[in-house]
Amino acid sequence: KQEVTQIPAALSVPEGENLVLNCSFTDSAIYNLQWFRQDPGKGLTSLLLIQSSQREQTSGRLNASLDKSSGRSTLYIAASQPGDSATYLCAVLSSGAGSYQLTFGKGTKLSVIP
Amino acid sequence: GAGVSQSPSNKVTEKGKDVELRCDPISGHTALYWYRQRLGQGLEFLIYFQGNSAPDKSGLPSDRFSAERTGESVSTLTIQRTQQEDSAVYLCASSLFYTQYFGPGTRLTVL
Repeated sequence: KQEVTQIPAALSVPEGENLVLNCSFTDSAIYNLQWFRQDPGKGLTSLLLIQSSQREQTSGRLNASLDKSSGRSTLYIAASQPGDSATYLCAVLSSGAGSYQLTFGKGTKLSVIP
Repeated sequence: GAGVSQSPSNKVTEKGKDVELRCDPISGHTALYWYRQRLGQGLEFLIYFQGNSAPDKSGLPSDRFSAERTGESVSTLTIQRTQQEDSAVYLCASSLFYTQYFGPGTRLTVL
């Protein structure tokens, strides 16, 4: 059974700092890995999707890497801003019971202090 | 364009009552998923619909939970005889290929 772990559970940084969020998964047989952002009262917003054959994806100040063999991914946020404050979720897409299933970590709650 | 919508946004019910949660997926998306997020926990997969294929119900926690989908449109998640441990945010997502697009969720509170 796939399990996803995110470290740290919470992180507080001053505005402008660069930061790294970590994600690990137990079964390397994945189709892709996604990083989501979750804001209170709003659904999940997909930030980056890395296919299993890729090593990294970039979008603006965000960079996500994937090392499938070791079961790890990192989300790098450059020059953090207060608007980045949210919970960041890592999820891997695997095959289970004949369907594509996303398995989520519990998230990292990020607070960026002005 | 319109995203995934869910209703109601909040639902408070008494233990033992039945509840119905609704999801309207993005038009044209053939796949629809239900997830549950309990306080302090990660999202748990509940059920998956793909076109006219039999749904994958492997994530449903008990026989009190059921879901239906009419064709490639609206889906309803029903919880019978609700229990306090059913309190959670229920999220729906739809997809055409791999990327899933999530709705805002329904927050269910069972008193």
